[in-house]
Amino acid sequence: KQEVTQIPAALSVPEGENLVLNCSFTDSAIYNLQWFRQDPGKGLTSLLLIQSSQREQTSGRLNASLDKSSGRSTLYIAASQPGDSATYLCAFYNQGGKLIFGQGTELSVKP
Amino acid sequence: DVKVTQSSRYLVKRTGEKVFLECVQDMDHENMFWYRQDPGLGLRLIYFSYDVKMKEKGDIPEGYSVSREKKERFSLILESASTNQTSMYLCASSLWSSGVSYEQYFGPGTRLTVT
Repeated sequence: KQEVTQIPAALSVPEGENLVLNCSFTDSAIYNLQWFRQDPGKGLTSLLLIQSSQREQTSGRLNASLDKSSGRSTLYIAASQPGDSATYLCAFYNQGGKLIFGQGTELSVKP
Repeated sequence: DVKVTQSSRYLVKRTGEKVFLECVQDMDHENMFWYRQDPGLGLRLIYFSYDVKMKEKGDIPEGYSVSREKKERFSLILESASTNQTSMYLCASSLWSSGVSYEQYFGPGTRLTVT
């Protein structure tokens, strides 16, 4: 069964800290991997998409890496801000084009 | 920018009612998807569609049906709503080319409560 695990489930940090969110997956034959942000009661906002041939993607203060051989991806957030508080979801595309989601990491950045 | 819209943000229905959730995308995407999201269970795929009038079951299709009469619109139907269908429903769309499914774009979600 294809699964995605995100650790930790919840994280609270003071403003300004750099932080890393972890994602591991069981299927090394993934195609692409995508990180999403979800605010309470809202839909999903795509943050970064890493193609299967890529190792990382960067957007502003965000950097996502992908290591297919070890089945891991990380999302690095630099200089965290209270506005970064949200749930972050990791998901990979399997061979059939379906998205397999993790349970998410709930991030709280304290002012 | 890709835009995926859902007909309602919040919906309250009674047990046994027939419920329609509508999703519209404006980027001529071939693929459209319906998910539900529940605490502790994450996002689960209900149905998806690769083309007009085509549909495929996802992981939890029981109690649901779908309709795709036009490329831009994908409807989720609860034939007889039950309380265990209270959930957040999310629609998504993506391109499909040469057997590859591309990045999915999500709508804002519909919070459905069945009483």
